[in-house]
Amino acid sequence: DAGVTQSPTHLIKTRGQHVTLRCSPISGHKSVSWYQQVLGQGPQFIFQYYEKEERGRGNFPDRFSARQFPNYSSELNVNALLLGDSALYLCASSDWALVYEQYFGPGTRLTVT
Amino acid sequence: GEDVEQSLFLSVREGDSSVINCTYTDSSSTYLYWYKQEPGAGLQLLTYIFSNMDMKQDQRLTVLLNKKDKHLSLRIADTQTGDSAIYFCAERRDFGNEKLTFGTGTRLTIIP
Repeated sequence: DAGVTQSPTHLIKTRGQHVTLRCSPISGHKSVSWYQQVLGQGPQFIFQYYEKEERGRGNFPDRFSARQFPNYSSELNVNALLLGDSALYLCASSDWALVYEQYFGPGTRLTVT
Repeated sequence: GEDVEQSLFLSVREGDSSVINCTYTDSSSTYLYWYKQEPGAGLQLLTYIFSNMDMKQDQRLTVLLNKKDKHLSLRIADTQTGDSAIYFCAERRDFGNEKLTFGTGTRLTIIP
């Protein structure tokens, strides 16, 4: 079975631009969460979506938004990019019925110059 | 507070046991997790423990939970070079959402 997949793998953007990151969960998983991992730190929770509805939001500005599609894949959008948005963006999926386990994708490395 | 604390570095000789420690903050945390991150990669779920348990063993991995002291540890028996990575503990505080709060990670280095 394929794990969580994310695209693109790497991305370089300029300050002020907009970026869209994509995530496909493990087949059968209906919950997707997004995390930001700045170099040298642990991941920070951004959003969780389940059945296309937002279930949780971390302490991030409104420039960050997300959505989930009917096939349970998800997009994370970041507007007006800042240098501080440079990070590894991780997507995790889970089966809501098995609430204990979240599985992470390989991440998208975003560099803002 | 929000902080989950871990030591930043640990060096262990190949074949010895590694013990990675974590202090969490919320006594109502429901599940506590250990993840492994290799260079340039995402997070690999190693194991987790429910807050009403004291210990969980899974092959070379042993998790100990001291709820009174809010202390979690991960013991890796017979440490191998492939165990070199950053290890994160994380806590999940409620069932309303799946937010995990992570520590800063412990970088485990294996000495040949």
